[in-house]
Amino acid sequence: DGGITQSPKYLFRKEGQNVTLSCEQNLNHDAMYWYRQDPGQGLRLIYYSQIVNDFQKGDIAEGYSVSREKKESFPLTVTSAQKNPTAFYLCASSTPGGYNYGYTFGSGTRLTVV
Amino acid sequence: GENVEQHPSTLSVQEGDSAVIKCTYSDSASNYFPWYKQELGKGPQLIIDIRSNVGEKKDQRIAVTLNKTAKHFSLHITETQPEDSAVYFCAASINNRLAFGKGNQVVVIP
Repeated sequence: DGGITQSPKYLFRKEGQNVTLSCEQNLNHDAMYWYRQDPGQGLRLIYYSQIVNDFQKGDIAEGYSVSREKKESFPLTVTSAQKNPTAFYLCASSTPGGYNYGYTFGSGTRLTVV
Repeated sequence: GENVEQHPSTLSVQEGDSAVIKCTYSDSASNYFPWYKQELGKGPQLIIDIRSNVGEKKDQRIAVTLNKTAKHFSLHITETQPEDSAVYFCAASINNRLAFGKGNQVVVIP
């Protein structure tokens, strides 16, 4: 079955550490996205990529980094520069022009700073 | 400012009653409006969408209506069931991206 997989489901990080969240899709989608979800804040866009080896900052990119070396994969690194990283992180993918066809979301990774 | 606003933030309904969630958007060029349902601990799933050339779309117990002149669209759930309890997000195509509302918690009371 085609889908989008995020791992791990739960992740704990010590303050000052970088951590990488995985996102893999087998839908043959060109575009991929990372969102952060906090209670009452909705979905806020961190980074997005419309094609391999290219990505753009979203609305809240500070303290995050991404790479897009393969079409199937779009990992997100939460760096120590992100002051409040505890949140639910969602990855999504879409065909080109996904803003006209909808996004497919993964099941999310809950990151907690301890 | 907000590109997509969603009201009310929380909605409680008795099982069997109808639920309506309304969203407003700012960009008159928006032409695609999806609705997503997110259950606890899961990612959002697309449940219905509508394009600007259509005023209403139905799929069993759910429907979406669009008023382009007023720039608002609404999700209607009829004969609500406990499994309809979730967070619902609306979205609109803006600047070649989807802009999401902040979500609406729907609670169906048995």
